Amino acid sequence: GNSVTQMEGPVTLSEEAFLTINCTYTATGYPSLFWYVQYPGEGLQLLLKATKADDKGSNKGFEATYRKETTSFHLEKGSVQVSDSAVYFCALRGFQGAQKLVFGQGTRLTINP
Amino acid sequence: NAGVTQTPKFQVLKTGQSMTLQCAQDMNHEYMSWYRQDPGMGLRLIHYSVGAGITDQGEVPNGYNVSRSTTEDFPLRLLSAAPSQTSVYFCASSSAGESGANVLTFGAGSRLTVL
Repeated sequence: GNSVTQMEGPVTLSEEAFLTINCTYTATGYPSLFWYVQYPGEGLQLLLKATKADDKGSNKGFEATYRKETTSFHLEKGSVQVSDSAVYFCALRGFQGAQKLVFGQGTRLTINP
Repeated sequence: NAGVTQTPKFQVLKTGQSMTLQCAQDMNHEYMSWYRQDPGMGLRLIHYSVGAGITDQGEVPNGYNVSRSTTEDFPLRLLSAAPSQTSVYFCASSSAGESGANVLTFGAGSRLTVL
């Protein structure tokens, strides 16, 4: 079945550091890939997405490229801010439909000033 | 625009008690679903619905019931609560349209503790 594996956290960085959160997946065919973010006390919200190989999703300075050859969708940001502190979830949607998102375990990110 | 509204935000139950987590959306979304979030396990799909009157099981449906009598509402029922159901529960919805089908809108969550 479909699955998503994220790098284990927690991750702690200083402000303006470079961020990478690794995400790899297992799926048949060509899934759509997502990064969701959960700020403290809130529900998840979509950060970015990519629906086909080599697509790059981007939002709020974050980027992720859909790499089919390595089955990866790593999240990057060049200069993080304290306000980026949150839990980040990688997810995929296979052929079964919009509601059957499969999530990774989440990576907690803390940015220190 | 309220989006997805979940109630209650917090609940403590004793083993064997029943309760219903409420979820309502005002975006006229066709799809609605329930996830549970546990430490180190991400979110797992409990039940989902593709429209009023239609529901189906997700990855971890045991111990939970759902119904979808209206487009707006998708309640999750725990028939006999167990400590293993201690978790944070999220309701989510999305449009069936081409541009919306991929994007879930989540509620703020309901934290349930079963003693």
